[in-house]
Amino acid sequence: SAVISQKPSRDICQRGTSLTIQCQVDSQVTMMFWYRQQPGQSLTLIATANQGSEATYESGFVIDKFPISRPNLTFSTLTVSNMSPEDSSIYLCSVEVQMNTEAFFGQGTRLTVV
Amino acid sequence: GQQVMQIPQYQHVQEGEDFTTYCNSSTTLSNIQWYKQRPGGHPVFLIQLVKSGEVKKQKRLTFQFGEAKKNSSLHITATQTTDVGTYFCAGTQLNAGGTSYGKLTFGQGTILTVHP
Repeated sequence: SAVISQKPSRDICQRGTSLTIQCQVDSQVTMMFWYRQQPGQSLTLIATANQGSEATYESGFVIDKFPISRPNLTFSTLTVSNMSPEDSSIYLCSVEVQMNTEAFFGQGTRLTVV
Repeated sequence: GQQVMQIPQYQHVQEGEDFTTYCNSSTTLSNIQWYKQRPGGHPVFLIQLVKSGEVKKQKRLTFQFGEAKKNSSLHITATQTTDVGTYFCAGTQLNAGGTSYGKLTFGQGTILTVHP
């Protein structure tokens, strides 16, 4: 299993600013993911955070808007840049201890952009 | 790209009634997973199905994976108020080489409310 600490749990930000979300795992994991979830909606994968290389982004998400760092096998950050109200959402980090096995999720970051 | 459709979007039941949610993929899946998300919480893993036609049970929950590995269902017998939440299926797609992409595509989720 894996225990994930995600910070901050929530934030209210001004449009045009940036927010960095941190995800710390209690063990080394290969697969680390970032999702976005609108309230009451499904989870949409933003990117896969790769250790030692650039993140792999899904269609509709770009590095300039959502830069990701993965400095080691236990930590990753997602930055939401130049925020607009449309970025208001819940952001979740997730890990798989082994590929194609259960995913563990952080508690999520509830972001409101005003 | 892969799409995973899930129905119904909402289900309201009286406590004691049964509940089923269905999941259908546009492509063959390597495996399918089911998650439960309580209101205000994060998704929590319930189970993974890998084999064609697989059926697994967890107490009052029964999970099925279709023969073609494109559909799945979750059935809850005699619902309780503790079953309230959103149930998501999530599939891992197979690529052209028959191996997994290693990332999950989530269905839209079914929001279950249980009236006592």
